[in-house]
Amino acid sequence: GAVVSQHPSRVICKSGTSVKIECRSLDFQATTMFWYRQFPKQSLMLMATSNEGSKATYEQGVEKDKFLINHASLTLSTLTVTSAHPEDSSFYICSASGRAGYEQYFGPGTRLTVT
Amino acid sequence: GESVGLHLPTLSVQEGDNSIINCAYSNSASDYFIWYKQESGKGPQFIIDIRSNMDKRQGQRVTVLLNKTVKHLSLQIAATQPGDSAVYFCAEQSGGYNKLIFGAGTRLAVHP
Repeated sequence: GAVVSQHPSRVICKSGTSVKIECRSLDFQATTMFWYRQFPKQSLMLMATSNEGSKATYEQGVEKDKFLINHASLTLSTLTVTSAHPEDSSFYICSASGRAGYEQYFGPGTRLTVT
Repeated sequence: GESVGLHLPTLSVQEGDNSIINCAYSNSASDYFIWYKQESGKGPQFIIDIRSNMDKRQGQRVTVLLNKTVKHLSLQIAATQPGDSAVYFCAEQSGGYNKLIFGAGTRLAVHP
């Protein structure tokens, strides 16, 4: 149980375009979802926390107008990178936490390359 | 500010040996700690966790030790196998709030 999927697994987009990444909890209801960014050979950095039905809480230094997060249902959260630039190229990972709290279940990640 | 750090960025071990990966944390209010394994191009995989009211927890071939006095966490892997080669991260959480703070990571390389 506790499976989280992400789509797409890899995406290449041109500079200036927007790209949407989906995160789904497949077998549980996720009251909270988290979005992380990971640059090569670095750790996971939390970008934002989203609770179903409410606005996301962004970490310091993360532009909320650039990284749009929607958590409209208990099984789906989306991250939209708007007007992407090469420096946004990274590995984006989501995680989901159910009503039991504590444990987060991680998705497989999405590799974004902006050319 | 809050931070979780690791002493060793890379650890090389021989197959069959025991591995010990260390982690220091700075938030004394953290009450839940987790070790994750991440293989190249994949998301983190849960290994083992421990709550602050414990100082040791064992799983299959893995043991996590927590020393709250010096704010230190370690992951011990017994009889390390090539499939254990990955980057290992510790993470901490405080007060039931789900936000996790990740350490820098240690790459474990297992040699035959």
